Amino acid sequence: KAGVTQTPRYLIKTRGQQVTLSCSPISGHRSVSWYQQTPGQGLQFLFEYFSETQRNKGNFPGRFSGRQFSNSRSEMNVSTLELGDSALYLCASRWGTGADTEAFFGQGTRLTVV
Amino acid sequence: GQNIDQPTEMTATEGAIVQINCTYQTSGFNGLFWYQQHAGEAPTFLSYNVLDGLEEKGRFSSFLSRSKGYSYLLLKELQMKDSASYLCAGVKAAGNKLTFGGGTRVLVKP
Repeated sequence: KAGVTQTPRYLIKTRGQQVTLSCSPISGHRSVSWYQQTPGQGLQFLFEYFSETQRNKGNFPGRFSGRQFSNSRSEMNVSTLELGDSALYLCASRWGTGADTEAFFGQGTRLTVV
Repeated sequence: GQNIDQPTEMTATEGAIVQINCTYQTSGFNGLFWYQQHAGEAPTFLSYNVLDGLEEKGRFSSFLSRSKGYSYLLLKELQMKDSASYLCAGVKAAGNKLTFGGGTRVLVKP
């Protein structure tokens, strides 16, 4: 069974640009969550999608957005990039929505904003 | 808030035991996850506690006390490959949002 796939693995962008990251969950998983990981703030929740609907949203500005497609693949978009957006962006997929459902993480996309 | 606190770094010797503590506000979460993350890799699931008590899984055990807002991960018979960051994460009864602590970097020395 293939794991969670995130593309691209590495990305360098310039301030002010926008970026789209992609996540393909494990086959059969319908819940996809996105997290930002930085050395200073650790892992912080961005948002969660289930069956193409956003169910939860973290405390990030509106420049961060996402969506989920009918095949459960998800994308997140960051517009008007800032230097502070440099981070590892992790996607996690779950089979269901129960609190005890294990989350499987992808390798992440390392975004560097210069 | 729902802060989750854990030590930043711990060092231990190969073959020894290390206990990583995690504390949180009791009103926040129904269950606690522990994840392991090696440098440059994805976090991987270690354990989940929703009931008070100790859950043992091979060399790794996790404990939860909901009334005290306290959990720990116990790593026994430490191996060099156990050098990694260990992340404590709380989850509410409804919803899939994981709230992570800052992670504890464990360094295993020969």
